[in-house]
Amino acid sequence: AQTVTQSQPEMSVQEAETVTLSCTYDTSESDYYLFWYKQPPSRQMILVIRQEAYKQQNATENRFSVNFQKAAKSFSLKISDSQLGDAAMYFCARVQGGSEKLVFGKGTKLTVNP
Amino acid sequence: DAGVTQSPTHLIKTRGQQVTLRCSPKSGHDTVSWYQQALGQGPQFIFQYYEEEERQRGNFPDRFSGHQFPNYSSELNVNALLLGDSALYLCASSLVWDGYTFGSGTRLTVV
Repeated sequence: AQTVTQSQPEMSVQEAETVTLSCTYDTSESDYYLFWYKQPPSRQMILVIRQEAYKQQNATENRFSVNFQKAAKSFSLKISDSQLGDAAMYFCARVQGGSEKLVFGKGTKLTVNP
Repeated sequence: DAGVTQSPTHLIKTRGQQVTLRCSPKSGHDTVSWYQQALGQGPQFIFQYYEEEERQRGNFPDRFSGHQFPNYSSELNVNALLLGDSALYLCASSLVWDGYTFGSGTRLTVV
């Protein structure tokens, strides 16, 4: 089975500091998309950032950026200047080109300490 | 612009019963996918509907079925409920690569 692995069940960070969440994935495809989703206690999955596999440049959205290493099949999320509102479950997900099925990791619970 | 709306938000059912969950997609989206999220796990793909037909299906038994209506809204039906069906059920709508917009889910508890 083609999987997504998040090796950190829990992470914590001090407010205003930087934290990196890890994700590795398995795929035999060359065309795919990668996502990081945030799930706060409200339960709604919120898209944080998206990366197309054919793009070499790492995606950035304000305080959120990724380190995409295609050969290593690694897709980590860096959160800079962490805020209390960043506390949530974070899920890494992959979808293959031509398919619209998302495959999720088990998630990382991020705690932000004031 | 309304996002994805799911109903009900919470539901308690007895083993063996049947349940129907509903989803209204984001305006302009024509594809609806359903996911099951067990406690402490990532969501698992159940199936996807496009043009009122099931386009893809995950590894779920036939007890799980669905429907999409002409207005793109969708229903998820689960028959012969088991305790293990207790989970958060998420609906996501999409339009090609516009991205996936998720609802807040329905929390189903089977007792």
